[in-house]
Formats: sequence, structure tokens, C-alpha cells
Amino acid sequence: DAKTTQPTSMDCAEGRAANLPCNHSTISGNEYVYWYRQIHSQGPQYIIHGLKNNETNEMASLIITEDRKSSTLILPHATLRDTAVYYCIVRGNSGNTPLVFGKGTRLSVIA
Amino acid sequence: DAGVIQSPRHEVTEMGQEVTLRCKPISGHNSLFWYRQTMMRGLELLIYFNNNVPIDDSGMPEDRFSAKMPNASFSTLKIQPSEPRDSAVYFCASSLVAQRPDTQYFGPGTRLTVL
Repeated sequence: DAKTTQPTSMDCAEGRAANLPCNHSTISGNEYVYWYRQIHSQGPQYIIHGLKNNETNEMASLIITEDRKSSTLILPHATLRDTAVYYCIVRGNSGNTPLVFGKGTRLSVIA
Repeated sequence: DAGVIQSPRHEVTEMGQEVTLRCKPISGHNSLFWYRQTMMRGLELLIYFNNNVPIDDSGMPEDRFSAKMPNASFSTLKIQPSEPRDSAVYFCASSLVAQRPDTQYFGPGTRLTVL
């Protein structure tokens, strides 16, 4: 699986959009971009995934660049409960393969 | 819907004792993963099963660790004998093999402390 690069930490004001970047310059054509987050003392939580088109669900939006070498996770209106470590993971589509977690981005939402 | 269930949530034991962690995957899921999280190494895969069969156990640290999945709704991770360096949070996750790509859902974890 391709590796990803994320900033170590970010701050965001409550109510504002949080934009979390991820670089995955070695991604292959059939690899997906997944985002998980881990709130303190909880298990990782699935947020969203995408292949090449932008995706949106009730939690977030995922913007993938046309060359697929980077992506941005957008939390449109961050709340204090969004404070967590966010992991960007690139993964093949062969199905039920393990997730390889990096260090992620620690997002702090500030009141 | 009940998510992935893990027990116990916290376990404190003494070095040399046997420890058994338990996991009940989401009903209908047929892939199960055991991960371990430490400050030093982050989240790492220990072993995973498809349809109750172990597929990859290369992440299991040593022979003291063993995992079983006797049926589709139950798995155990056993450490015997336990050592202080086994202290970590152990997560279980499950997914549906037929889904492409699949999404893994994690349990709340078991925090293990070996004294």
C-alpha cells in the first residue's frame, strides 16, 4: 500500500471548516483513500473513503485532486467533539485487507 | 445496531499470567482483525481472519500470542505468559468480505496493563 504524509497537528476554531490535507504521491490506480479518526480513548472511527471522485457523507467531504496524489478531508462546521487524531490511509480494493495506520494529524478544535 | 463488542474493557494482570481478550464482530461480518496500539508503535495489525480462517498472523509478536475464531461471532486473543511490554490497547475490527472496498468497524478496545 502507498504511504501517506499528513501534518502532525492542526488547530481549528469551533464552527469553522476544518481542512485536513494528505499527500499520497505514490498511490496506484486501484487504491482508495480512506479517512478514520480516533477520539481520545476510543476505537478508530470510519469517516469516508473515495477513489477519484469527490465524496460527501453526513460526517465530512473528501476532495481528491485530479492526479490523485493528494486529498483533503473537510469537516464543514467543526465542533469540540471533532477533536481527535485523523488518519489518512491508502488501501487497495482487493477487499478486507488490513488498514495500515500512520501517525495521523492531531486536530484540536478550539472554542 | 450493536457494533463490535470487546471484553473486558480494562484488564490489569501480573507478569506471567495468562490473559484472554474477547471480541464479538458485527453480525453478518466475516472478516475480523486484531490491532494493538502503543505510544511507541502506534496502531499495528496483529492478525486477521476471513470466514473464521486466519489469513495473516505475521504481526503477532511472538509465540506467547495466539488468536482463535471458533465461529463467526466470536474471537479470542490470548497472551500466555504476559509481560509488561504487552501493555497496550487492543482493538478488534470487523468488515464484510463481499463489500468492495470493505469498511472496517472498530470496537472500543481493551486496555491491558501488565505489572
